Amino acid sequence: DAGVTQSPTHLIKTRGQHVTLRCSPISGHKSVSWYQQVLGQGPQFIFQYYEKEERGRGNFPDRFSARQFPNYSSELNVNALLLGDSALYLCASSLGLGDTEAFFGQGTRLTVV
Amino acid sequence: DAKTTQPPSMDCAEGRAANLPCNHSTISGNEYVYWYRQIHSQGPQYIIHGLKNNETNEMASLIITEDRKSSTLILPHATLRDTAVYYCIATRGGGYNKLIFGAGTRLAVHP
Repeated sequence: DAGVTQSPTHLIKTRGQHVTLRCSPISGHKSVSWYQQVLGQGPQFIFQYYEKEERGRGNFPDRFSARQFPNYSSELNVNALLLGDSALYLCASSLGLGDTEAFFGQGTRLTVV
Repeated sequence: DAKTTQPPSMDCAEGRAANLPCNHSTISGNEYVYWYRQIHSQGPQYIIHGLKNNETNEMASLIITEDRKSSTLILPHATLRDTAVYYCIATRGGGYNKLIFGAGTRLAVHP
């Protein structure tokens, strides 16, 4: 079975630009969460979506937004990129029922120059 | 979610047991203890979780104290591939998937 897939794996953007990151969860998983991991730190929670609805939001500015599609895939959008947005962006999926574990993708490495 | 405290780094000899401690003294009754690890340049990997009772799976054992204020992750026979950052997280279950990662413990397994 395919795991959580994220695209692209790497990208470079210029300050002020917009970026869209994509995530496909494990088949059958209905919950998708996004995390930002700055070098040397643990991942920081950005969003959780379950059944296409936002169920949780971390302490991130409104420049960050996300959505989940009917097939449970998800997009993370970041507007007006700042140098500090450079990080590894991780997507995690879970069944969404009961005390289940999260399965993480390999992440998208975003560099803002 | 309860705050967790872990030592920043630990060493372990290959083939020996690695015992990684975690303090979660403010954990509430409905919060589980989860352990994840992150090998360099990869996404975090789920290891194990528990509520009250000790748990064991093919990867590790989780020992939770009776008062639930601390726990220990045990890798029974550490290998070089177990070198990673290990995160202890206390969080609600029920599909609530907001994981609060701290700095974790950097485990180095050496020959």
